[in-house]
Amino acid sequence: SAVISQKPSRDICQRGTSLTIQCQVDSQVTMMFWYRQQPGQSLTLIATANQGSEATYESGFVIDKFPISRPNLTFSTLTVSNMSPEDSSIYLCSVRRSGDTEAFFGQGTRLTVV
Amino acid sequence: GDSVTQMEGPVTLSEEAFLTINCTYTATGYPSLFWYVQYPGEGLQLLLKATKADDKGSNKGFEATYRKETTSFHLEKGSVQVSDSAVYFCALSHTGANSKLTFGKGITLSVRP
Repeated sequence: SAVISQKPSRDICQRGTSLTIQCQVDSQVTMMFWYRQQPGQSLTLIATANQGSEATYESGFVIDKFPISRPNLTFSTLTVSNMSPEDSSIYLCSVRRSGDTEAFFGQGTRLTVV
Repeated sequence: GDSVTQMEGPVTLSEEAFLTINCTYTATGYPSLFWYVQYPGEGLQLLLKATKADDKGSNKGFEATYRKETTSFHLEKGSVQVSDSAVYFCALSHTGANSKLTFGKGITLSVRP
C-alpha cells in the first residue's frame, strides 16, 4: 500500500479565511483525488488532481472555491477558500497507483470553520 | 450513472455475534468492488476487494463475495469484536486511469462487550 501523509490533521479557522491542505505520498502515483466527508455523511469527490495540468472538478465544485495544485507525482494541495461554517468537514486525499484497482487514503484533515 | 446502496444503520451487536452488512450496486460493465473501514478519528482503510464476478475478498475475518447476478457485495463476519466498531463503506470503481470511487452512505457498527 501507499503511505500518505496529510497535513494539517485538524484545524479551526475563521470564516472568510483560506486553508491549504497538503498531501504527500511515499511513491509516485498515477492518480490523486480529493474528497469531502461532511459530518455523518459519505465521501463526495471534489476533484481529480492532474499532474502538470488543471484539476478536473466534479459537479458542484469549482476551482475558485477549491483550487488544487499537483506539481509532481507525489504531492498535491487543496485550498478551501473564503471559508464558511458549511465548509466544516473532513477533507481526504486519496491516491491510486498505476495497475491498482484500489485507492488508498490519507488520515484526513478535520476542518472546523467558526 | 453508478450508485452504491447500503443497508440503513446504525447496527449494534454483542461481541461474538454474526455480522452481515448488505451492499448492492448499479453500474455498467464489470466494476471492481470494495469495502473500506473508517475507525473513529481516522481516515479510510481498504478492508477487502473483489475484481470480478464470484471473487471472494477476505481480510481480518471479514468476507464478501462479488455476486453479479444479484449485483451485491454483502460484508460478513462470523464473530465480531469490540475492536470492529467503525464505519463501513461499500464502494465500486471501474478500471481505467481516470476512474473514481463511488461510495455508499456508510454504516456505523457498534459492538458491545
